[in-house]
Amino acid sequence: DAKTTQPNSMESNEEEPVHLPCNHSTISGTDYIHWYRQLPSQGPEYVIHGLTSNVNNRMASLAIAEDRKSSTLILHRATLRDAAVYYCILKGINAGNMLTFGGGTRLMVKP
Amino acid sequence: ETGVTQTPRHLVMGMTNKKSLKCEQHLGHNAMYWYKQSAKKPLELMFVYSLEERVENNSVPSRFSPECPNSSHLFLHLHTLQPEDSALYLCASSQDYGSWSYNEQFFGPGTRLTVL
Repeated sequence: DAKTTQPNSMESNEEEPVHLPCNHSTISGTDYIHWYRQLPSQGPEYVIHGLTSNVNNRMASLAIAEDRKSSTLILHRATLRDAAVYYCILKGINAGNMLTFGGGTRLMVKP
Repeated sequence: ETGVTQTPRHLVMGMTNKKSLKCEQHLGHNAMYWYKQSAKKPLELMFVYSLEERVENNSVPSRFSPECPNSSHLFLHLHTLQPEDSALYLCASSQDYGSWSYNEQFFGPGTRLTVL
């Protein structure tokens, strides 16, 4: 399975943009890049996903490098509610709907 | 009720007890999952059911026994557990078990299990 590498933790100030990086140098051409996050005392929740092009939704933006070996989740204005562990996950086309979670990045947001 | 619910939210049991965790999804999904989240470890997939048939069983000890009586309900039966089984047990569901891109998993809040 292609693996992802994320920083263990990051800090941000409230109302500032946050860029959460993810390296996936062994990604295959058919792997989708998914992001989930886990708020304190809750189960994970889906944030966004993409294949090659950058993606935007109401929660975040996903910027994917041209060679697809890295991606960045962008929160445009961090709020205290965005403090969570963010997981970058590769989902292969032949993997059913399995998600393999790594350690993720713990985002701390300071008021 | 909406989304994915789990009961109980907290459970304390002795090593000789038998208990069950319950998960219910109100989303009309066809696939359901059990995950284990131990302290300082990533989420581990335990079991996957698709249309009430088990499709994944990731080398989980037999003291954990899943049951999926219908597509809305998933149980995890526990017996003779060990203290190292103490963890957060999370249930999730998705539209189906297909690998198509937009098939997000919806998670419940989890059951915090403590084995004494």
